[in-house]
Amino acid sequence: EPEVTQTPSHQVTQMGQEVILRCVPISNHLYFYWYRQILGQKVEFLVSFYNNEISEKSEIFDDQFSVERPDGSNFTLKIRSTKLEDSAMYFCASMRQGELSPLHFGNGTRLTVT
Amino acid sequence: AQSVTQPDIHITVSEGASLELRCNYSYGATPYLFWYVQSPGQGLQLLLKYFSGDTLVQGIKGFEAEFKRSQSSFNLRKPSVHWSDAAEYFCAVGEGSGGSNYKLTFGKGTLLTVNP
Repeated sequence: EPEVTQTPSHQVTQMGQEVILRCVPISNHLYFYWYRQILGQKVEFLVSFYNNEISEKSEIFDDQFSVERPDGSNFTLKIRSTKLEDSAMYFCASMRQGELSPLHFGNGTRLTVT
Repeated sequence: AQSVTQPDIHITVSEGASLELRCNYSYGATPYLFWYVQSPGQGLQLLLKYFSGDTLVQGIKGFEAEFKRSQSSFNLRKPSVHWSDAAEYFCAVGEGSGGSNYKLTFGKGTLLTVNP
């Protein structure tokens, strides 16, 4: 069964550095998402992306965050200047277009900001 | 705004016992409802979903859930738990944002421990 793939599985970075989290969604899916889970807290919606543009974003998704689909297969989340509070597990998800269908999540990237 | 409550943070059951994980939601319209499971170090795996129709839905691994509109609940059940079911379980509600797209709001999760 096709899967959503995320790399790296764990990223450690220093405060103020830029990070790019990478995702390869399922190939025939057209909706893409980023969610995050701070340790001990709920999984939270960050952003949804469709037709090469952001369709919805949460208040968490401020100017420090950006998403991009640089080619036909990758979907990236960039954090421009990381803060300690950005430490979390970041999940990518994708969904096919058409009839209602579920989101398929990747295994996540654990981001640690020191 | 929609919200999801999972009242039980941690549940322990014996292998072979039945299981019910509770989920209550708050949402104005007909919700899309989901249960996901997360094993340690793993991502979120979909157990089952409800979009419309039959309020009793069957999922993978022998799980089922029942949508009860009057109680705003979507409880997850399994008649006989296996040791491999030990994991964290998340209930989620989907809020439509146009077309077939929607945004998920998750509960805080219920950690399931299975005793031999």
